[in-house]
Order: sequence, then C-alpha cells, then structure tokens
Amino acid sequence: SQKIEQNSEALNIQEGKTATLTCNYTNYSPAYLQWYRQDPGRGPVFLLLIRENEKEKRKERLKVTFDTTLKQSLFHITASQPADSATYLCALCENAGNMLTFGGGTRLMVKP
Amino acid sequence: GAVVSQHPSRVICKSGTSVKIECRSLDFQATTMFWYRQFPKKSLMLMATSNEGSKATYEQGVEKDKFLINHASLTLSTLTVTSAHPEDSSFYICSAADRAAGEKLFFGSGTQLSVL
Repeated sequence: SQKIEQNSEALNIQEGKTATLTCNYTNYSPAYLQWYRQDPGRGPVFLLLIRENEKEKRKERLKVTFDTTLKQSLFHITASQPADSATYLCALCENAGNMLTFGGGTRLMVKP
Repeated sequence: GAVVSQHPSRVICKSGTSVKIECRSLDFQATTMFWYRQFPKKSLMLMATSNEGSKATYEQGVEKDKFLINHASLTLSTLTVTSAHPEDSSFYICSAADRAAGEKLFFGSGTQLSVL
C-alpha cells in the first residue's frame, strides 16, 4: 500500500541548531515533492518544491533534499529560531493536476 | 502572492443543521479547488476535488450527499455539510492552485466545525 511517513513525535531542538525532518514514502513515483508549514488552527503554507530530477533545493535557511532511490526527502532548517516552531508537512504529487497527498506532519519545537 | 480566503473560521452548530463553508481565490482564478479534512494532530485528508462548472470528484469513502460541493465561478467553491452530526466535527481546509505560481497550492485558513 502507499504510505507517506513523517515522524509523528515532536522534534525538540535548541535555538541556533539545525533541524532535520524526514519524509519517507512507499509505493509512490512522485513527479515532485513539496514541504509546507502549518501553524495551529491555520491552513498550510507552501515552503519549497523539489522535482524528481533534483537532488537539493535551498531557500534562505531552508534546504530540501530528494533521494528517489531511498524514497526519502529531508527538510533542514539551519540556525533555527523559536519562530520556526510549527508542524511541517511533506506532500507528494505523482502526476499533473496538483493533487497532493500529505504526510502526517512533524511538529518542530525550537527552544530559546 | 496568491490568497485564498475561507469563511467562516469557526462554526458551532446543533446536530441536524447544514453548514456552508466558502472558499474564495482573491486575486487569481482557480479552475480547481481542493477540500480537505483534518483531525487533531493528523494529516490532511483529501475529501474532494472541486471543478469549476462541473461536478466535484470525491475521494473514496466520502459521502457525496453529505458533503455537497459547488464551484459556480472561477473564484468561489463552497462545501456544505448537510445535516451535520457530532462525528462531522473537524477542521476543514480548502486549497487552490494559481497556474501563474506553478504547482504549489494556496490554502485557506481553515474552518473549525463543532457539532453539538
């Protein structure tokens, strides 16, 4: 069966450290993968998109890697700040039409 | 950037009431919008794909007669939860894609529905 797995346990890190979140998938052949941030009681906000033929994408303090052999994407936040505390969702799209399938999300807590 | 407005943000209603949730794309046209349901600390579950001018496409297990979707214009989709019951209580979120912005989705702020 198809699965998108993110660590359901909260990730607690100290301010200034690098946070690394993992997204593993099974039985998907994604055309691209996206990462979103969701704050409590709010809708997700788009962060980054990485395509199947790309290995790494960066945007300011964010970095995403995509390994189609391992079927895994890693999401990094460098020099983390308490304001980065939120739930981060990965989402896969297998074909055209923008239909995304979401992972369960990982909650990140950055402590000052 | 593109903005999706969702209204209302919170609804508390009695069992048996029908509740309408609106999703508007404010500065772009959206031929397709998506409706999700989210339980606390759980993932977004796609309920249906709303297509302007045609019938919505529902995901398996989602009752069409229970969750009525209307996409009457390029900027508005509505989800009506008919005869709501306590088990329908959830966080409902819509999203839309702005073709000019590529494949990313823009989400509404969500609607927390509580059925008493």
